[in-house]
Amino acid sequence: EVQLVESGGGLVQPGGSLRLSCVASGFTFSNYAMNWVRQAPGKGLEWVSSISSTGGGTYYADSVKGRFTISRDNSKNTLYLQMYTLRVEDTAIYFCAKVGEDNSSWRAFDIWGQGTRVSVSS
Amino acid sequence: DIVMTQSPDSLAVSLGERATINCKSSQSVLNSSNKKNYLGWYQQKPGQPPKLLIYWASTRESGVPDRFNGGGSGTDFTLTISSLQAEDVAVYYCQQYYSPPLTFGGGTKVEIK
Repeated sequence: EVQLVESGGGLVQPGGSLRLSCVASGFTFSNYAMNWVRQAPGKGLEWVSSISSTGGGTYYADSVKGRFTISRDNSKNTLYLQMYTLRVEDTAIYFCAKVGEDNSSWRAFDIWGQGTRVSVSS
Repeated sequence: DIVMTQSPDSLAVSLGERATINCKSSQSVLNSSNKKNYLGWYQQKPGQPPKLLIYWASTRESGVPDRFNGGGSGTDFTLTISSLQAEDVAVYYCQQYYSPPLTFGGGTKVEIK
Protein backbone atom coordinates (compact mmCIF):
# COMPACT_ATOMS: atom_id res chain seq x y z
CA GLU A 1 0.00 0.00 0.00
CA VAL A 2 1.27 3.43 -0.94
CA GLN A 3 1.47 5.51 2.22
CA LEU A 4 2.82 8.77 3.57
CA VAL A 5 3.06 9.34 7.32
CA GLU A 6 3.92 12.76 8.71
CA SER A 7 5.27 13.53 12.17
CA GLY A 8 7.02 16.27 14.09
CA GLY A 9 4.21 18.72 14.58
CA GLY A 10 3.45 20.35 17.90
CA LEU A 11 3.08 23.57 19.83
CA VAL A 12 5.89 26.09 19.47
CA GLN A 13 6.34 29.72 20.46
CA PRO A 14 6.67 32.44 17.83
CA GLY A 15 10.26 32.57 16.63
CA GLY A 16 10.78 28.90 17.36
CA SER A 17 11.69 26.00 15.10
CA LEU A 18 10.32 22.61 14.18
CA ARG A 19 11.29 19.86 11.79
CA LEU A 20 8.55 17.86 10.12
CA SER A 21 9.15 14.42 8.65
CA CYS A 22 7.20 12.36 6.14
CA VAL A 23 8.01 8.68 5.78
CA ALA A 24 7.01 7.08 2.50
CA SER A 25 6.25 3.44 1.79
CA GLY A 26 4.80 1.32 -0.98
CA PHE A 27 6.53 3.07 -3.89
CA THR A 28 10.02 3.93 -5.10
CA PHE A 29 10.42 7.18 -3.16
CA SER A 30 13.58 8.25 -4.98
CA ASN A 31 11.72 8.44 -8.31
CA TYR A 32 9.13 11.02 -7.26
CA ALA A 33 9.09 14.72 -6.56
CA MET A 34 7.47 15.54 -3.24
CA ASN A 35 5.58 18.45 -1.75
CA TRP A 36 4.39 20.08 1.44
CA VAL A 37 0.94 21.66 1.55
CA ARG A 38 -0.63 23.31 4.58
CA GLN A 39 -4.12 24.15 5.71
CA ALA A 40 -4.77 26.76 8.38
CA PRO A 41 -7.74 26.09 10.68
CA GLY A 42 -10.97 26.46 8.71
CA LYS A 43 -9.12 27.66 5.62
CA GLY A 44 -8.17 26.35 2.19
CA LEU A 45 -5.09 24.61 0.89
CA GLU A 46 -1.78 26.44 0.51
CA TRP A 47 1.20 24.95 -1.30
CA VAL A 48 4.34 25.40 0.79
CA SER A 49 7.25 23.74 -1.00
CA SER A 50 8.33 21.17 -3.59
CA ILE A 51 11.48 19.14 -4.08
CA SER A 52 12.60 17.17 -7.11
CA SER A 53 13.19 13.44 -6.97
CA THR A 54 16.94 13.86 -6.51
CA GLY A 55 16.68 16.82 -4.17
CA GLY A 56 18.52 19.01 -6.65
CA GLY A 57 15.58 21.33 -7.21
CA THR A 58 13.64 23.04 -4.43
CA TYR A 59 10.83 25.57 -4.60
CA TYR A 60 9.04 27.63 -1.97
CA ALA A 61 6.01 29.79 -1.48
CA ASP A 62 6.94 33.42 -0.86
CA SER A 63 5.31 33.19 2.58
CA VAL A 64 7.95 30.70 3.78
CA LYS A 65 10.96 31.48 1.60
CA GLY A 66 14.05 32.04 3.71
CA ARG A 67 12.45 30.50 6.79
CA PHE A 68 11.62 26.93 5.69
CA THR A 69 13.89 24.35 4.08
CA ILE A 70 12.66 21.26 2.26
CA SER A 71 14.95 18.26 1.96
CA ARG A 72 14.82 14.52 1.48
CA ASP A 73 16.84 11.42 2.33
CA ASN A 74 16.14 8.89 -0.39
CA SER A 75 18.03 6.20 1.54
CA LYS A 76 15.49 6.59 4.36
CA ASN A 77 12.42 7.20 2.17
CA THR A 78 11.88 10.38 4.14
CA LEU A 79 10.90 13.94 3.28
CA TYR A 80 11.61 16.81 5.66
CA LEU A 81 10.49 20.35 6.26
CA GLN A 82 12.73 22.36 8.56
CA MET A 83 10.84 25.39 9.81
CA TYR A 84 12.61 28.36 11.41
CA THR A 85 11.40 31.69 12.77
CA LEU A 86 7.86 30.39 13.03
CA ARG A 87 5.00 32.87 13.06
CA VAL A 88 1.46 32.65 14.38
CA GLU A 89 0.25 32.56 10.77
CA ASP A 90 2.21 29.32 10.18
CA THR A 91 -0.33 27.52 12.37
CA ALA A 92 -1.81 24.79 10.18
CA ILE A 93 -2.02 21.13 9.39
CA TYR A 94 0.95 20.25 7.20
CA PHE A 95 0.46 17.54 4.59
CA CYS A 96 3.11 15.86 2.53
CA ALA A 97 2.05 14.82 -0.95
CA LYS A 98 3.54 12.80 -3.78
CA VAL A 99 3.31 13.73 -7.44
CA GLY A 100 1.51 11.31 -9.70
CA GLU A 101 4.24 10.60 -12.21
CA ASP A 102 7.82 9.57 -11.66
CA ASN A 103 10.76 11.66 -12.78
CA SER A 104 8.51 14.67 -13.23
CA SER A 105 8.24 17.70 -11.01
CA TRP A 106 5.04 19.39 -12.08
CA ARG A 107 2.21 16.93 -11.71
CA ALA A 108 -0.96 16.65 -9.66
CA PHE A 109 -0.60 15.26 -6.15
CA ASP A 110 -1.96 11.72 -6.14
CA ILE A 111 -1.10 10.55 -2.62
CA TRP A 112 -1.40 12.62 0.56
CA GLY A 113 -0.50 11.90 4.15
CA GLN A 114 -2.92 12.46 7.02
CA GLY A 115 -1.06 15.56 8.08
CA THR A 116 0.67 16.81 11.21
CA ARG A 117 -0.58 19.78 13.19
CA VAL A 118 1.66 22.75 13.88
CA SER A 119 0.51 25.39 16.36
CA VAL A 120 2.49 28.58 16.83
CA SER A 121 1.40 30.46 19.90
CA SER A 122 2.79 32.18 22.96
CA ASP B 1 1.91 34.04 -9.68
CA ILE B 2 -1.09 32.26 -11.19
CA VAL B 3 -4.22 33.07 -9.24
CA MET B 4 -6.94 30.41 -9.18
CA THR B 5 -10.49 31.66 -8.67
CA GLN B 6 -13.27 29.21 -7.93
CA SER B 7 -16.99 29.80 -8.07
CA PRO B 8 -19.32 29.50 -6.36
CA ASP B 9 -17.99 29.43 -2.82
CA SER B 10 -20.71 26.96 -1.94
CA LEU B 11 -23.65 25.24 -3.55
CA ALA B 12 -26.50 23.05 -2.43
CA VAL B 13 -27.76 20.44 -4.84
CA SER B 14 -30.48 17.84 -4.54
CA LEU B 15 -29.51 14.19 -4.52
CA GLY B 16 -29.25 12.90 -8.08
CA GLU B 17 -28.92 16.37 -9.56
CA ARG B 18 -25.94 17.94 -11.29
CA ALA B 19 -23.36 20.06 -9.51
CA THR B 20 -20.98 22.29 -11.45
CA ILE B 21 -17.95 24.04 -10.04
CA ASN B 22 -15.96 26.63 -11.97
CA CYS B 23 -12.27 27.42 -11.78
CA LYS B 24 -10.53 30.25 -13.58
CA SER B 25 -6.79 30.81 -13.75
CA SER B 26 -5.24 34.25 -14.15
CA GLN B 27 -3.07 32.94 -16.98
CA SER B 28 -3.16 29.92 -19.21
CA VAL B 29 -2.07 26.60 -17.73
CA LEU B 30 -2.01 24.92 -21.14
CA ASN B 31 1.43 23.70 -22.14
CA SER B 32 1.69 24.34 -25.86
CA SER B 33 4.32 21.65 -26.42
CA ASN B 34 2.40 18.70 -24.99
CA LYS B 35 -1.11 20.20 -25.27
CA LYS B 36 -1.84 19.38 -21.63
CA ASN B 37 -3.62 21.59 -19.13
CA TYR B 38 -1.75 21.50 -15.82
CA LEU B 39 -4.93 21.54 -13.75
CA GLY B 40 -6.13 19.16 -11.06
CA TRP B 41 -9.25 18.80 -8.94
CA TYR B 42 -9.31 17.54 -5.36
CA GLN B 43 -12.03 16.51 -2.96
CA GLN B 44 -11.63 17.05 0.78
CA LYS B 45 -14.00 15.68 3.37
CA PRO B 46 -13.93 16.89 6.99
CA GLY B 47 -10.96 15.59 8.94
CA GLN B 48 -9.39 13.99 5.88
CA PRO B 49 -6.57 14.93 3.54
CA PRO B 50 -7.45 15.99 0.00
CA LYS B 51 -8.06 13.27 -2.57
CA LEU B 52 -7.10 13.66 -6.21
CA LEU B 53 -10.11 13.33 -8.50
CA ILE B 54 -9.00 14.74 -11.86
CA TYR B 55 -5.63 15.60 -13.42
CA TRP B 56 -4.66 17.09 -16.77
CA ALA B 57 -8.00 18.93 -16.40
CA SER B 58 -10.07 15.99 -17.59
CA THR B 59 -8.38 12.67 -16.73
CA ARG B 60 -10.12 10.83 -13.95
CA GLU B 61 -7.86 9.32 -11.29
CA SER B 62 -8.09 5.56 -10.92
CA GLY B 63 -11.04 4.52 -8.79
CA VAL B 64 -12.88 7.84 -9.05
CA PRO B 65 -16.55 7.33 -10.00
CA ASP B 66 -17.45 8.33 -13.55
CA ARG B 67 -20.00 10.85 -12.29
CA PHE B 68 -17.02 13.17 -11.73
CA ASN B 69 -15.97 14.92 -14.92
CA GLY B 70 -13.47 17.67 -15.59
CA GLY B 71 -13.46 19.97 -18.57
CA GLY B 72 -12.09 23.19 -19.97
CA SER B 73 -8.80 24.45 -21.34
CA GLY B 74 -6.48 27.40 -21.08
CA THR B 75 -7.87 29.50 -18.27
CA ASP B 76 -11.42 28.21 -17.72
CA PHE B 77 -12.24 24.87 -16.18
CA THR B 78 -15.18 23.02 -14.69
CA LEU B 79 -15.74 20.07 -12.41
CA THR B 80 -19.13 18.45 -12.86
CA ILE B 81 -20.73 15.88 -10.61
CA SER B 82 -23.39 14.48 -12.88
CA SER B 83 -25.61 12.91 -10.23
CA LEU B 84 -24.84 14.04 -6.70
CA GLN B 85 -24.58 11.34 -4.07
CA ALA B 86 -24.61 11.79 -0.29
CA GLU B 87 -20.94 10.79 -0.11
CA ASP B 88 -19.99 13.66 -2.43
CA VAL B 89 -20.57 16.24 0.31
CA ALA B 90 -17.13 17.84 0.59
CA VAL B 91 -15.03 20.83 -0.33
CA TYR B 92 -13.57 20.77 -3.82
CA TYR B 93 -10.37 22.54 -4.86
CA CYS B 94 -8.75 23.18 -8.21
CA GLN B 95 -4.98 23.47 -8.44
CA GLN B 96 -2.58 24.57 -11.13
CA TYR B 97 0.71 22.74 -11.34
CA TYR B 98 1.91 24.55 -14.44
CA SER B 99 4.53 26.60 -12.64
CA PRO B 100 5.60 27.44 -9.09
CA PRO B 101 4.27 28.77 -6.89
CA LEU B 102 1.69 26.07 -7.30
CA THR B 103 -1.67 27.50 -6.38
CA PHE B 104 -5.06 26.27 -5.28
CA GLY B 105 -8.45 27.80 -5.70
CA GLY B 106 -10.28 28.92 -2.59
CA GLY B 107 -12.52 25.87 -2.52
CA THR B 108 -16.18 25.16 -3.17
CA LYS B 109 -18.30 23.56 -0.50
CA VAL B 110 -20.90 21.14 -1.88
CA GLU B 111 -23.91 20.28 0.27
CA ILE B 112 -27.19 18.44 -0.14
CA LYS B 113 -30.28 20.57 -0.68
